[in-house]
Amino acid sequence: GQNIDQPTEMTATEGAIVQINCTYQTSGFNGLFWYQQHAGEAPTFLSYNVLDGLEEKGRFSSFLSRSKGYSYLLLKELQMKDSASYLCAVRDARSGSARQLTFGSGTQLTVLP
Amino acid sequence: ETGVTQSPTHLIKTRGQQVTLRCSSQSGHNTVSWYQQALGQGPQFIFQYYREEENGRGNFPPRFSGLQFPNYSSELNVNALELDDSALYLCASSPPQRPGQETQYFGPGTRLLVL
Repeated sequence: GQNIDQPTEMTATEGAIVQINCTYQTSGFNGLFWYQQHAGEAPTFLSYNVLDGLEEKGRFSSFLSRSKGYSYLLLKELQMKDSASYLCAVRDARSGSARQLTFGSGTQLTVLP
Repeated sequence: ETGVTQSPTHLIKTRGQQVTLRCSSQSGHNTVSWYQQALGQGPQFIFQYYREEENGRGNFPPRFSGLQFPNYSSELNVNALELDDSALYLCASSPPQRPGQETQYFGPGTRLLVL
């Protein structure tokens, strides 16, 4: 099975940098995703890592270490609109072409002025 | 906007009733996945449909069933509703499986309340 852990809540200040960690244990790994979800809305795709290393996309970066079962999402130059839940999800490689995602419970980030 | 649409947006049912939720996938996407998201939790995988056939199922009972149509739109049916079925139901579509196109794009969800 899959087990994904991420902190429940984090708080940071506008303009700062925040790192949200995610650790996972999985019987089959085929990629790690980060999604952003504002309250009452659908998750929106932020990043995808399948190989070790850092992927940078504007103010957001995501890092993956497959040997450590570890990823982080780095948010720079925080803005008030970044207040949201950040979901870490692992794609299961076990079952044929099914691209099942297993999600963590999400990290609720609050950005303070 | 992901191009994935769901209906209805909100729904109230009573225990024991049946419900059908609908999803239209993004143009060109042939795979649809359904997730249940309880308040304060991450989405939980229900099942996935690919070319009109179920292609993977999570830990949900048989009273959760689905369909995918030739135009790749999909339905989620839940029979004998229970109070714990109250949740946000999310549909996600993804394109034909090619490297670099693995991302699932979510619709706005249907919020179901079972009384």
